[in-house]
Amino acid sequence: SYVLTQPPSVTVAPGKTAKITCGGNNIGGKSIHWYQQKPGQAPMLVIYYDSDRPSGIPERFSGSNSGNTASLTISRVEAGDEADYYCQVWDRSSDHPVVFGGGTKLTVL
Amino acid sequence: QVQLQESGPRLVKPSETLSLTCTVSGDSISSYFWTWIRQPPGKGLEWIGYISYTGNTKYNPSLKSRLTISVDKSKNHFSLNVTSVTAADTAVYYCARGGDTSWFDPWGQGVLVTVSS
Repeated sequence: SYVLTQPPSVTVAPGKTAKITCGGNNIGGKSIHWYQQKPGQAPMLVIYYDSDRPSGIPERFSGSNSGNTASLTISRVEAGDEADYYCQVWDRSSDHPVVFGGGTKLTVL
Repeated sequence: QVQLQESGPRLVKPSETLSLTCTVSGDSISSYFWTWIRQPPGKGLEWIGYISYTGNTKYNPSLKSRLTISVDKSKNHFSLNVTSVTAADTAVYYCARGGDTSWFDPWGQGVLVTVSS
């Protein structure tokens, strides 16, 4: 089945830009969605269709997807952005169509 | 505003059946697809399966032989049954709106189900 690879952790200083990557074979040919999960909470959608933001998600969150790598970029990082972030795609050709990345822990120091 | 709420036993004995229900409010279950996802303690997200309002299902192949997802339109809820559970089925179980190529939004708050004697 399709595999998505995320770095286990990313550390960023407040006010700086964080970039979380999600790698997969020709991932640019798929639509990717990103979720934020804070400790003890359910995941929450922050980006869908590569780069669209749901209502209520700050413009500081943006996404891109091309080639073998998709990225979630968080500008002007705040302490409240500290969370686990998961990427997700659909692999229509597979019996296991829903694929999540392993997650990236974003630490704000 | 759409809200989802999981309910069901928090403790299940090994070899027995795990049963959860997700009640949807603020939206009719007769639209969209509806999904179950789980997260073992300290680990990542695992897709379990989804169902359409017409009852069509798609399951994770690794769980398929033990899974049943059903929908009850009269009660505006959908349900998950996992048979023959083991400790490996211990996880937070989430329900979410979405399926069949769409994103998952919103999610329920999740319920921790522990498999233990």
